[in-house]
Amino acid sequence: EAQVTQNPRYLITVTGKKLTVTCSQNMNHEYMSWYRQDPGLGLRQIYYSMNVEVTDKGDVPEGYKVSRKEKRNFPLILESPSPNQTSLYFCASSFVGRSSYEQYFGPGTRLTVT
Amino acid sequence: DAKTTQPPSMDCAEGRAANLPCNHSTISGNEYVYWYRQIHSQGPQYIIHGLKNNETNEMASLIITEDRKSSTLILPHATLRDTAVYYCIVGGSNYQLIWGAGTKLIIKP
Repeated sequence: EAQVTQNPRYLITVTGKKLTVTCSQNMNHEYMSWYRQDPGLGLRQIYYSMNVEVTDKGDVPEGYKVSRKEKRNFPLILESPSPNQTSLYFCASSFVGRSSYEQYFGPGTRLTVT
Repeated sequence: DAKTTQPPSMDCAEGRAANLPCNHSTISGNEYVYWYRQIHSQGPQYIIHGLKNNETNEMASLIITEDRKSSTLILPHATLRDTAVYYCIVGGSNYQLIWGAGTKLIIKP
């Protein structure tokens, strides 16, 4: 089954404790992206990657890191989480090209930073 | 800022057609219109997209006006499972989807 998986689905952590949210897709997509969703603000892009070893900032990259060492994986790293990073996070993937806006989304990771 | 305008909420009776409008008056000639929906904090789901011509797939139909400044998503026979927030999106640069607030569609029995 074609899918985007994220782990963990729920995470409660404390300020400053490094964490990684994993994202994996099995569709051989070149493009992958991370979004965060907050009430009243909609989805905002954090980082995206056009292919392996190619990453770039989205609209709200501060406090986040990403890496793209393999085509299927695109982990999101919070080196020192803060309460304002409490949010619902989505990973998405697609092919590059005209169909790149047809993105497949993961189920989401609900992160709480206390 | 989002480049589309949608009503914040709509109701529709189960079994009837749901017509969701979207204004995108600043759309440029090569930009597509995309529709997604999000069911209660699940990952958004792609529905359909179009450039100029009307489009139909197994989920919905998309009607784009001739001047391309607005469009309508049509769910022909709405069911309770179609209750969701529907997003109309005009493709941004670098394949970035610019999300607005969407329309909360409530299907009533």
